[in-house]
Amino acid sequence: RKEVEQDPGPFNVPEGATVAFNCTYSNSASQSFFWYRQDCRKEPKLLMSVYSSGNEDGRFTAQLNRASQYISLLIRDSKLSDSATYLCVVNNRNNNDMRFGAGTRLTVKP
Amino acid sequence: DVKVTQSSRYLVKRTGEKVFLECVQDMDHENMFWYRQDPGLGLRLIYFSYDVKMKEKGDIPEGYSVSREKKERFSLILESASTNQTSMYLCASTPGQGAYYEQYFGPGTRLTVT
Repeated sequence: RKEVEQDPGPFNVPEGATVAFNCTYSNSASQSFFWYRQDCRKEPKLLMSVYSSGNEDGRFTAQLNRASQYISLLIRDSKLSDSATYLCVVNNRNNNDMRFGAGTRLTVKP
Repeated sequence: DVKVTQSSRYLVKRTGEKVFLECVQDMDHENMFWYRQDPGLGLRLIYFSYDVKMKEKGDIPEGYSVSREKKERFSLILESASTNQTSMYLCASTPGQGAYYEQYFGPGTRLTVT
């Protein structure tokens, strides 16, 4: 079983739609959680950290459920520019123990 | 802005060749990492370094070695390239140790071993 699991997608949604991704992790001692965005043939870049209380950044909302060991990312009012692969990242200790999901691919269509 | 650069975007090598992948960061970061990314598997850690001349194995170090002679530079070496090392290689850096630091990635090197 992978430590971090994501639905690979692809998710194909129209502009303006709301889309949600989930990610599950297996290590209950995990300390920190992130969503990274990776454009085609580019490097991953931090989209947002995920805090226990949940956090929002514009159209993006991240939630953490420690009891069920999953994190989620909600994108409202999708834009064409949101098309990318979204990586769920879980850090178990120090930053040498970051575990990456394989990513969920999103395509937003006009 | 943190900048992490990698020496090549695309590389084609033959089986058995020794391959050097270079990574340089310009923000005086302590920690540097080498990952490989394969479809369906996510990023997997090969080696990391917390200081000059210091290195630690990650999850998949077999067939690789690293060198960190200067703080800003972290090199990945494939001693004898094999076809199963065809992959995207990503270098990353962070300013310190700890679970909450963002990782800054280089643009990646897509290596093909024939």
